[in-house]
Amino acid sequence: DTEVTQTPKHLVMGMTNKKSLKCEQHMGHRAMYWYKQKAKKPPELMFVYSYEKLSINESVPSRFSPECPNSSLLNLHLHALQPEDSALYLCASSPYGVSSYEQYFGPGTRLTVT
Amino acid sequence: DAKTTQPPSMDCAEGRAANLPCNHSTISGNEYVYWYRQIHSQGPQYIIHGLKNNETNEMASLIITEDRKSSTLILPHATLRDTAVYYCIALNTGNQFYFGTGTSLTVIP
Repeated sequence: DTEVTQTPKHLVMGMTNKKSLKCEQHMGHRAMYWYKQKAKKPPELMFVYSYEKLSINESVPSRFSPECPNSSLLNLHLHALQPEDSALYLCASSPYGVSSYEQYFGPGTRLTVT
Repeated sequence: DAKTTQPPSMDCAEGRAANLPCNHSTISGNEYVYWYRQIHSQGPQYIIHGLKNNETNEMASLIITEDRKSSTLILPHATLRDTAVYYCIALNTGNQFYFGTGTSLTVIP
């Protein structure tokens, strides 16, 4: 299995909702990442987990809460989002922790906040 | 990490070589050059990386100048499926990388 999967593909949520995005990989990779991408812009790094520990938080608002239950799974919990949080959320993984940069990306979850 | 500069857009005829330049004039000796691409509505895809020597894999070739201040990604026979945004990133081990604005490559039939 050489892919990163993300669910759901699309999500529409209201500003008072709580939802979660899920990312999974079974390649034995030890680092996992969340990126946010607005239309026609490059991906922006949000969080990095290395060996299941949060190693980087790029000053992301607390309404985004990451979780890494095990080395194969990464979640992003969403609460009280704003319309400007609508974007494509990308998950990625890499083999050897944060010092390796051949990252494998999932297809993303397209989030719309109404 | 070194900042990279890429042209915002390029066209290439199908079947011809696509040569995508990247300027990284402030690169330091231990910073690698990475290339990724993002096809519309998909996640970015790793292409190739290098430090000093030229590199080739099944997708592309990477030519790094001797002074390492610039590099060129070469897609030897571009196809319509190569239409994408191509990102050049320079960084050193242990740091995270940040995507620049990239080059939007359009392969024309």
